[in-house]
Parts: sequence; C-alpha cells; structure tokens
Amino acid sequence: AQSVSQHNHHVILSEAASLELGCNYSYGGTVNLFWYVQYPGQHLQLLLKYFSGDPLVKGIKGFEAEFIKSKFSFNLRKPSVQWSDTAEYFCAVNVRNNRLAFGKGNQVVVIP
Amino acid sequence: DAGVTQSPTHLIKTRGQQVTLRCSPKSGHDTVSWYQQALGQGPQFIFQYYEEEERQRGNFPDRFSGHQFPNYSSELNVNALLLGDSALYLCASSSGGGAGETQYFGPGTRLLVL
Repeated sequence: AQSVSQHNHHVILSEAASLELGCNYSYGGTVNLFWYVQYPGQHLQLLLKYFSGDPLVKGIKGFEAEFIKSKFSFNLRKPSVQWSDTAEYFCAVNVRNNRLAFGKGNQVVVIP
Repeated sequence: DAGVTQSPTHLIKTRGQQVTLRCSPKSGHDTVSWYQQALGQGPQFIFQYYEEEERQRGNFPDRFSGHQFPNYSSELNVNALLLGDSALYLCASSSGGGAGETQYFGPGTRLLVL
C-alpha cells in the first residue's frame, strides 16, 4: 500500500545534540515532499519542501532535508538542536493536486 | 494578513448527531482541503474543494460532506457521528491546487464524540 513512514515516534535528546528524522515513502512517479512542524499549542507550519533540483533543501530554523530518490527517502536533519525545537514533526508527500499524505509524526523533546 | 481560521475550536457531540465545522482560507487562496488527525496519528486527507466543487476525496464515507462558498470559505459536515470520529479536524488552504503550492493549516477544531 502507498504510505509515508516515519520511524522512532518519540525522540528525546539534549540541547546541542544533532537530530535526524527519517522519512520513507512508497509513492511512485514524481513527488513533492514536505516537512511540517507543530510546536506545542500552535498550528502545523511548513519547515521545508522539495520539488525539484538540488536534493539538499534548506528550511527555516537551521533545518535541512535530503531527498534520495533511489531510497525513496527525505530525511530531516539539524546539526544542533535547541530547547525551542521541542515539537512534533511530520513528513508529507504531495500525492496529487496538493493532496498530502502524512506520516505518523515524530514527537521530539529537547532537554535543556 | 489573517491566516487560516477555523471555528469552533472545540466541540462535544453525542453519537448519531450531526456537526458542521467552518474554515476561512488565507487571503488570496482559493483551494481548501480538510484533514482528520486522530490522536497519535498524522493528518489524513478527507477532501478538497476548488471553485466550489469537490475536486478529490480521500477514503472517508459519505457521512463526511463539504461545501465551498463563493468567498472560498468552506464547511465540513459529518452526519451520524460515531465515537471514532473524535479527532482534530484541520483545514488547509492553498492557491490554485497545483502540486507546487504550499498548504497553510489552521489551528483545527477538536471534536469529541461521546
């Protein structure tokens, strides 16, 4: 079945540690990929997106993601996290006409 | 510039009742998508409205219906509520509905069915 997979649903790490969240999708053809973040008590907001071109995408707040077509992956990274990065992170694939398919999310807790 | 707004913020209903949720898109946006987010899950696509018509639909029963008005605002209606309909309902707006458009999400309506 077509899906978006995110592993390690709960991640706990200390400030200044590096963060990497995995995302794998099973949709074929051309895909547009997104990472959304939901800070406590706030809306879902876009972190970054990939449509075409350079597979390494820079987003807001120091986040970046790498699209590896051969692995159907779009992993999110941040070299050094801060307490304010505590949030839930969702990977999403644009399936068709802006219909997004989301993964189950990663709950990230950064300990000061 | 107001972002996507939704009303109400919270709602409690009983099984069998009907509910209507409302969404106003971000200024300049003409496409509205609705998502259901159950606890501990990612959002699931319900349907999308563009030019006042349902353009595409996810795997949800006919109990879920919607409408888009000429001002691009939208309603989500759920009939014959089930306990399993308890979730956060998210509205997202975008422009034109093309694959490259970013969707902007509202704060959601939290529905509890007792």
